[in-house]
Amino acid sequence: TQLLEQSPQFLSIQEGENLTVYCNSSSVFSSLQWYRQEPGEGPVLLVTVVTGGEVKKLKRLTFQFGDARKDSSLHITAAQPGDTGLYLCAGASGANNLFFGTGTRLTVIP
Amino acid sequence: NAGVTQTPKFQVLKTGQSMTLQCAQDMNHNSMYWYRQDPGMGLRLIYYSASEGTTDKGEVPNGYNVSRLNKREFSLRLESAAPSQTSVYFCASSEGFFARTEAFFGQGTRLTVV
Repeated sequence: TQLLEQSPQFLSIQEGENLTVYCNSSSVFSSLQWYRQEPGEGPVLLVTVVTGGEVKKLKRLTFQFGDARKDSSLHITAAQPGDTGLYLCAGASGANNLFFGTGTRLTVIP
Repeated sequence: NAGVTQTPKFQVLKTGQSMTLQCAQDMNHNSMYWYRQDPGMGLRLIYYSASEGTTDKGEVPNGYNVSRLNKREFSLRLESAAPSQTSVYFCASSEGFFARTEAFFGQGTRLTVV
């Protein structure tokens, strides 16, 4: 099992604050994906990063893949209540398996 | 579009009972997957089917069997349910290899084994 650890596990912040979520592993991945999951729903893909050092932006969300392709971060600027949810990172190993992280549960308080 | 549809949404089983979780996708995807999600563990792959007619074990296959009935449907069977199988089960599908293409997930089946 290729363990992906996310930190923090829980995060509660006020609307308008910035935050960073981390995803770390001792394994190298060919690509890394970030998902957001809302209660009672399945995960929904936010972004895929493929190249070491790659940075992708999705509106107020910035994703970075580590140079060694073992870790990743998600930074949210000016968080909004609509950002509330469970954020999951998932590393690809081989063609047909994604190893999911333990998740970060974010609550943004209005 | 329905996307990925799972049935049932909730189920309570007694230890030793059997049941089949159904999954269907309407996106003409080649690959389909079954995951389980447990608190603090993330999602773990049970079985996957890279294409119609093929199935392979994932990370935690023990106690489960699968059938890729056709391109649309991929079912997960618990032959003799155990309390350790209490979990939320997600079916997913993707056009090609999971690692490079977007995976679409169903809404999940919350299973409790008592």
